[in-house]
Amino acid sequence: DAGVTQSPTHLIKTRGQQVTLRCSPKSGHDTVSWYQQALGQGPQFIFQYYEEEERQRGNFPDRFSGHQFPNYSSELNVNALLLGDSALYLCASSYRGVNTEAFFGQGTRLTVV
Amino acid sequence: AQSVTQLDSQVPVFEEAPVELRCNYSSSVSVYLFWYVQYPNQGLQLLLKYLSGSTLVKGINGFEAEFNKSQTSFHLRKPSVHISDTAEYFCAVSAKGSSNTGKLIFGQGTTLQVKP
Repeated sequence: DAGVTQSPTHLIKTRGQQVTLRCSPKSGHDTVSWYQQALGQGPQFIFQYYEEEERQRGNFPDRFSGHQFPNYSSELNVNALLLGDSALYLCASSYRGVNTEAFFGQGTRLTVV
Repeated sequence: AQSVTQLDSQVPVFEEAPVELRCNYSSSVSVYLFWYVQYPNQGLQLLLKYLSGSTLVKGINGFEAEFNKSQTSFHLRKPSVHISDTAEYFCAVSAKGSSNTGKLIFGQGTTLQVKP
């Protein structure tokens, strides 16, 4: 089992550009959640996808959007990048049921210059 | 809504000494509780979780935590730390219910620095 995989591992973008990050969930998982972790901070919940729809959303602007595909993989898109978007973006997968836990990928380090 | 407060930003400790990392939470609904560890430039690894039942939970790498509902705390302990335990530790909560699986609220983290 490959676990949760994210790509790319590192990315450098220019302010104002758009970026797409990708996540493949752990085998058997149907729910994908995205988190932003700024340097020295705890991860913050961005949103969650289940059955190809956004089910819950944290306190992030509309510049952050996502998608889930029929194979449960997911993308995170960020438009009009700001310097403050520089962070580690973590994907977590889980199975939508009670008493389950989330498994995290290694993250994508995004640097906006 | 839920919130998590980790009471210590940094905890220095000598190798083979015991350690406690403190976590308090606030929630208007019942929650699940988790401790994750993050090594440099890596993702999060689950150390242990409290879902129900016994309030003393044992996890990987010799860590354990105790859920105290009256004090809304979930402190992490290890009786004897190793150099390899040096990492960032995060306490997290999730509201009970299948729709909340995977939606975690994290604390700010505690840096455990184990000295030789």
